Amino acid sequence: QLVLTQSPSASASLGASVKLTCTLNSGHSTYAIAWHQQRPEKGPRYLMKVNGDGSHTKGDGIPDRFSGSGSGAERYLTVSSLQSEDEADYYCQTWGTDTHVVFGGGTKLTVL
Amino acid sequence: EVQLVESGGGLVQPGGSLRLSCAASGFTFSTYGMHWVRQAPGKGLEYVSAISSDGGKTYYASSVKGRFTISRDNSKNMLYLQMGSLRVEDMAVYYCAKSPCGGDCFQDYWGQGTLVTVSS
Repeated sequence: QLVLTQSPSASASLGASVKLTCTLNSGHSTYAIAWHQQRPEKGPRYLMKVNGDGSHTKGDGIPDRFSGSGSGAERYLTVSSLQSEDEADYYCQTWGTDTHVVFGGGTKLTVL
Repeated sequence: EVQLVESGGGLVQPGGSLRLSCAASGFTFSTYGMHWVRQAPGKGLEYVSAISSDGGKTYYASSVKGRFTISRDNSKNMLYLQMGSLRVEDMAVYYCAKSPCGGDCFQDYWGQGTLVTVSS
């Protein structure tokens, strides 16, 4: 069974950087994932796809401050030069042939 | 510009039915798979269903299988979700999303959502 694990919360100061982690469960460490941002009271917004080799492809209009990477079963979303508008929930998501689409539980990012 | 506009949400009694629609524009609709994803109040995102670009393959979460039916009309650039035997736990904002794949992978564009309330 395909499972994604995210920390429930994270925080960082305005102007600083933060690295969010999404972990694939055993047996699925090569899977690609996608990151989505959801600001309060808004619909989700696709940020990027992070491949099994750690490379990433961003969605349209996503600022350079957002980047993706990976190591083993972990996939990361790094947000640099944090702005107040980056305060949001961040979800990772993956997919498989038999299990289709799976979402992580989301990380609530607070910008201090 | 890709636009996805959901409609059809509302208040329905437990056991009732509802049909959601999603109007797509700004891309060649018939080329891409489409998804429905929902979010219960205060909860995370939950995959509901997906359909391949030609409508030939459909996928459902176990929580809705047998009660919901996804379909599309490529001539009208429309995606649908027919929901039946609705339960209180189906209450959520339902989002329509486009996939960059012809089938079932991730979502690269999202709609603004439509709220489904299931209550007596």
